Amino acid sequence: DAGVIQSPRHEVTEMGQEVTLRCKPISGHDYLFWYRQTMMRGLELLIYFNNNVPIDDSGMPEDRFSAKMPNASFSTLKIQPSEPRDSAVYFCASSDPGTGDYGYTFGSGTRLTVV
Amino acid sequence: GIQVEQSPPDLILQEGANSTLRCNFSDSVNNLQWFHQNPWGQLINLFYIPSGTKQNGRLSATTVATERYSLLYISSSQTTDSGVYFCAVNYGGATNKLIFGTGTLLAVQP
Repeated sequence: DAGVIQSPRHEVTEMGQEVTLRCKPISGHDYLFWYRQTMMRGLELLIYFNNNVPIDDSGMPEDRFSAKMPNASFSTLKIQPSEPRDSAVYFCASSDPGTGDYGYTFGSGTRLTVV
Repeated sequence: GIQVEQSPPDLILQEGANSTLRCNFSDSVNNLQWFHQNPWGQLINLFYIPSGTKQNGRLSATTVATERYSLLYISSSQTTDSGVYFCAVNYGGATNKLIFGTGTLLAVQP
């Protein structure tokens, strides 16, 4: 398996622009997570899905953030409009607890810079 | 909410040395994982270990759930072990939802 695939790896955008981050989980994994990492706040959970359904979005910072999972192999995290304080590394992870192992597999992350 | 504390915050080792990293958590958990974030930023899952002991090569981990701590042992450290080690536990009544500690920054010198 190619693992969890995120795109783009790096994104530089201007304040006010829309940003879309993409994630392809490992095939067969039924949980998908979006995390954000910053120096100040560390790794924080934004939202997670089970079988394509959003379960908990309490970590989404504000209405400017939205996430979708239209099918089992694709998810997006969108920021509209983007602000400089959104600059961070955004990680996607997936897991398959049905195997008895809740271990997460992370993607390589998207480094977002909003100028 | 649950608190996750890792110690030490940073550690410098000579290649070949052994080390023990600790993770304390403030409430009962049924999901605990250790991760390594390498200098390129990649997060690698080392162990899913809600209780008991596991070993994988030079790494091993032990979780004593009743006493609310977990230990990660690194033996015969190599420069490639450098990076940040995170402990994460479940919270909010959901087994699969993790909160991360602040990490231990490890530097292994040749």
